Amino acid sequence: KQEVTQIPAALSVPEGENLVLNCSFTDSAIYNLQWFRQDPGKGLTSLLLIQSSQREQTSGRLNASLDKSSGRSTLYIAASQPGDSATYLCAVSPKGETSGSRLTFGEGTQLTVNP
Amino acid sequence: KAGVTQTPRYLIKTRGQQVTLSCSPISGHRSVSWYQQTPGQGLQFLFEYFSETQRNKGNFPGRFSGRQFSNSRSEMNVSTLELGDSALYLCASSLWQATDTQYFGPGTRLTVL
Repeated sequence: KQEVTQIPAALSVPEGENLVLNCSFTDSAIYNLQWFRQDPGKGLTSLLLIQSSQREQTSGRLNASLDKSSGRSTLYIAASQPGDSATYLCAVSPKGETSGSRLTFGEGTQLTVNP
Repeated sequence: KAGVTQTPRYLIKTRGQQVTLSCSPISGHRSVSWYQQTPGQGLQFLFEYFSETQRNKGNFPGRFSGRQFSNSRSEMNVSTLELGDSALYLCASSLWQATDTQYFGPGTRLTVL
């Protein structure tokens, strides 16, 4: 059974700092890994998707890497801003007997960026 | 292009009642998935529909059911509500493959009293 773990559970940093969020998964048989952000009481916003054949993806100040063999992904946020404060979730799309989508999520990292 | 929409946004029900939630995917998307989010269990997969057929199913009791219409809109139904069903229910849509990006709606907040 696929399990996804995110460390740390919570993180508080001053504005302008670069930071790294970690995600690990137990089964390397995945189609892809996706990073999301969730603001309190809201839905999920897709940030980056890394296919299993890729090593990293970048979007603006965000960079996500994937090491499928070791079951790890990192989300790097450069020059953090108070608007980055949210919960960040990683999710894997596991390969299985059936096709289609069924994401397995980590518990998330709650990020606070202080002005 | 409009995003994923979910209705209603908030719902209050009492134990024993049933509820129906609706999800309209992004235009052109044919796969719709449902997730339950609670503080204790996090985000858990309920089921996925593609071409009006349930393609994947999570580990939830039979009280949770869904369907998809020919226009890809989906509904999920929860019968005989329990207090533990209080949660944020999220719908996600994607083109059709497991490799496609999942786009989530704003969710429906269900409170069971």
